[in-house]
Amino acid sequence: GQNIDQPTEMTATEGAIVQINCTYQTSGFNGLFWYQQHAGEAPTFLSYNVLDGLEEKGRFSSFLSRSKGYSYLLLKELQMKDSASYLCAVTDSNYQLIWGAGTKLIIKP
Amino acid sequence: DAGITQSPRHKVTETGTPVTLRCHQTENHRYMYWYRQDPGHGLRLIHYSYGVKDTDKGEVSDGYSVSRSKTEDFLLTLESATSSQTSVYFCAISEDGRTENTGELFFGEGSRLTVL
Repeated sequence: GQNIDQPTEMTATEGAIVQINCTYQTSGFNGLFWYQQHAGEAPTFLSYNVLDGLEEKGRFSSFLSRSKGYSYLLLKELQMKDSASYLCAVTDSNYQLIWGAGTKLIIKP
Repeated sequence: DAGITQSPRHKVTETGTPVTLRCHQTENHRYMYWYRQDPGHGLRLIHYSYGVKDTDKGEVSDGYSVSRSKTEDFLLTLESATSSQTSVYFCAISEDGRTENTGELFFGEGSRLTVL
């Protein structure tokens, strides 16, 4: 079966750095997405990786290793507004989007 | 922000009653999707549409039907609601169904449905 694993919850301190991991087992691979979802709101797109390596966008970076079925989202200089759930999703060989259950990130002052 | 609105945003209904959720977009995107989101689960695709009157099933389509008579509207119907259909429902749109090309789905704000 197809599966995406990410930690259920993480806690970090304002101003620090946090890494949220995502591992996947899917039938084929056509890209990996990270979305941010604040409580009670819609998911919003953060990043997309299709090739191995690191993609940086301001305070957020996303890394992909296709051979390991592994990605991480790195958040730097954490702010209170970064408290949210972070959803990892993979597009399989049929271009179906498979979603992880999300990681709830709690930022403490 | 992508122009997507869902209605109603909140609904409480009783088991056995029909329910229709509406998704309206102003982006003229071809693809529209209905997902449900439940604690401990990832977003799960119910149905999607790739054009007017063109729809297909997702992974959790049982008990749901959809219709798309206009580009801008995508309706999700629960013919006879059950308690297992209590969930938050999200509509999403994309310009291209091959999401690797656009890298992005745009989501509506969600509709919280409670079936008693």
